[in-house]
Amino acid sequence: QVQLQESGPGLVKPSQTLSLTCTVSGGSISSGSYFWSWIRQPAGKGLECIGRIYSSGSTNYNPSLKSRVTISLDTSKNQFSLKLTSVTAADTAVYYCARGIVAAGTNSYMDVWGKGTSVTVSS
Amino acid sequence: SYDLTQPPSVSVSPGQTASITCSGDRLGDKYASWYQQKPGQSPVLVIYQDSKRPSGIPERFSGSNSGNTATLTISGTQAMDEADYYCQAWDSSTGVFGGGTKLTVL
Repeated sequence: QVQLQESGPGLVKPSQTLSLTCTVSGGSISSGSYFWSWIRQPAGKGLECIGRIYSSGSTNYNPSLKSRVTISLDTSKNQFSLKLTSVTAADTAVYYCARGIVAAGTNSYMDVWGKGTSVTVSS
Repeated sequence: SYDLTQPPSVSVSPGQTASITCSGDRLGDKYASWYQQKPGQSPVLVIYQDSKRPSGIPERFSGSNSGNTATLTISGTQAMDEADYYCQAWDSSTGVFGGGTKLTVL
């Protein structure tokens, strides 16, 4: 049973870089059958896709965040990471990592989610 | 950008059928997924590819998608189904979520 666990600082200062890691257990991050996503949720609000990365290293980012986001893989550690630069209070949220099923066209979906980690942007 | 619109809230009596809609431009040309989120928990996939149920999801959950609207239907709604529900689709390789619907079972 694959499990995902987010980790990283719970507090980040404005203008700095938010860095989170998702550790995958029970399965290989290198499998071509999956992609790996980051999603966030401000308190009391809805879900927002940040982006995803395939085992090939190919990425897709939300256009509204694209200029500030980098998602990367570390296959040696079976982890993938999120970096979000120049953060503001608007980036305060619970950040989730999730596994997605690779499928043609728009068939993809996210079937396994981590428990989420809360990040606050404040000085 | 692509938008998905859900009603903020839906109420249903126990044992009755709840329907939650998700509207988007030509959404029927895409595949829709639905996620259930209970307070303090991470989202759980309940429907994928419009109408398929993952293993472990009760049969009372079903989905459809046509035209501009995807619908999540919960038959014989139980108190444990009270949660927030989010639809999701992909547009130009970007994941898009609806704003979420709070389902109240009363």
